[in-house]
Amino acid sequence: NAGVTQTPKFRILKIGQSMTLQCTQDMNHNYMYWYRQDPGMGLKLIYYSVGAGITDKGEVPNGYNVSRSTTEDFPLRLELAAPSQTSVYFCASRFPGTGVEKLFFGSGTQLSVL
Amino acid sequence: AQTVTQSQPEMSVQEAETVTLSCTYDTSESDYYLFWYKQPPSRQMILVIRQEAYKQQNATENRFSVNFQKAAKSFSLKISDSQLGDAAMYFCAYRSANSGTYKYIFGTGTRLKVLA
Repeated sequence: NAGVTQTPKFRILKIGQSMTLQCTQDMNHNYMYWYRQDPGMGLKLIYYSVGAGITDKGEVPNGYNVSRSTTEDFPLRLELAAPSQTSVYFCASRFPGTGVEKLFFGSGTQLSVL
Repeated sequence: AQTVTQSQPEMSVQEAETVTLSCTYDTSESDYYLFWYKQPPSRQMILVIRQEAYKQQNATENRFSVNFQKAAKSFSLKISDSQLGDAAMYFCAYRSANSGTYKYIFGTGTRLKVLA
């Protein structure tokens, strides 16, 4: 049971490039989330999904896109990377319902846009 | 909109001593969940403790306990017998219990240093 797996762990992009951050979970969790963590700013929600085919914006969605074609995968797409997108990105998932109220996190992707 | 505030960017504690990390939140809802997550240098986020707002009893997990003051909208974390492995960033988080609400709101974090 691998939990939540994020790839890559580190990446450097040039301004204007695009990339996809991969996230997959093997716990059959319906709910999945993408957060970004900036120093001194905590975690900000980018996008989330409550099931395959359903996604919604969080607090800071501009410059990002997501898709959820399967329960397991929730990739985050950066189009036209900008220096403001330099951050650590975390994917998380959880099982729906209040009995198991716990977010499972991936180990993060550190992204630098230069 | 709900907010979570952690007013202590950094705290230090001597090994074996007790430290309390503060968290306040703002909400108009009566039913919600509160959490403390730990992020060690490995970057992995780990759930430390969870509190349901409808429960008056403060949650405890071994050396970790909370002081939940619902009227004051305060949710502090107490770490007893601090260990070197407790050194980490600690995030307070909130989630509404309302049906159809899925978002977690995090505070800005408190960096805890444990002095040997």
